[in-house]
Amino acid sequence: AQSVTQPDIHITVSEGASLELRCNYSYGATPYLFWYVQSPGQGLQLLLKYFSGDTLVQGIKGFEAEFKRSQSSFNLRKPSVHWSDAAEYFCAVGPVGGRRALTFGSGTRLQVQP
Amino acid sequence: DTGVSQDPRHKITKRGQNVTFRCDPISEHNRLYWYRQTLGQGPEFLTYFQNEAQLEKSRLLSDRFSAERPKGSFSTLEIQRTEQGDSAMYLCASSLAVADNEQFFGPGTRLTVL
Repeated sequence: AQSVTQPDIHITVSEGASLELRCNYSYGATPYLFWYVQSPGQGLQLLLKYFSGDTLVQGIKGFEAEFKRSQSSFNLRKPSVHWSDAAEYFCAVGPVGGRRALTFGSGTRLQVQP
Repeated sequence: DTGVSQDPRHKITKRGQNVTFRCDPISEHNRLYWYRQTLGQGPEFLTYFQNEAQLEKSRLLSDRFSAERPKGSFSTLEIQRTEQGDSAMYLCASSLAVADNEQFFGPGTRLTVL
């Protein structure tokens, strides 16, 4: 079965600093990969997605992610973090193996210091 | 279209009571999903519909849970004889029936079982 690991439960960065959130997946083939963001009390908003082609994908709010097949990783990056980026970030894979559902990691909570 | 909507946003109930949640997907989306999210975790898949047909159910969906999508538009999720362990955020998502399966999430219904 597929799985998603986000090794960092909580990250704190200073406003204006760069950010990288890690995501590793386990699946026999290349799945579709997603990053979502969730603000407190809110649903999930899609930041970006990877299906095929260029391994560096651009998303909304200045985020990008790079797919590395050899490392089974799909890390999220932002060159300069804003205070409004404080939220929880989830990496997800799917659909795989005929299942339509997304499989999510446990999330990384981002705190931004002024 | 304003996206996926869910009602109510919050529900407090006593153990043993029945509760029902509603989800209205994006109007042209024929797939509808239910996920459950507990504190500090990523969303976990419960079930999904394509049009009015319920095509997949997770093992998380015990016999106390039932979901319907009677006319292929809105969906309801009912929990009978609620337990404290049912306390969670219940998220609804919708998508088009295309390969990438990009899912759009609603704001969720937060259930608290006392």
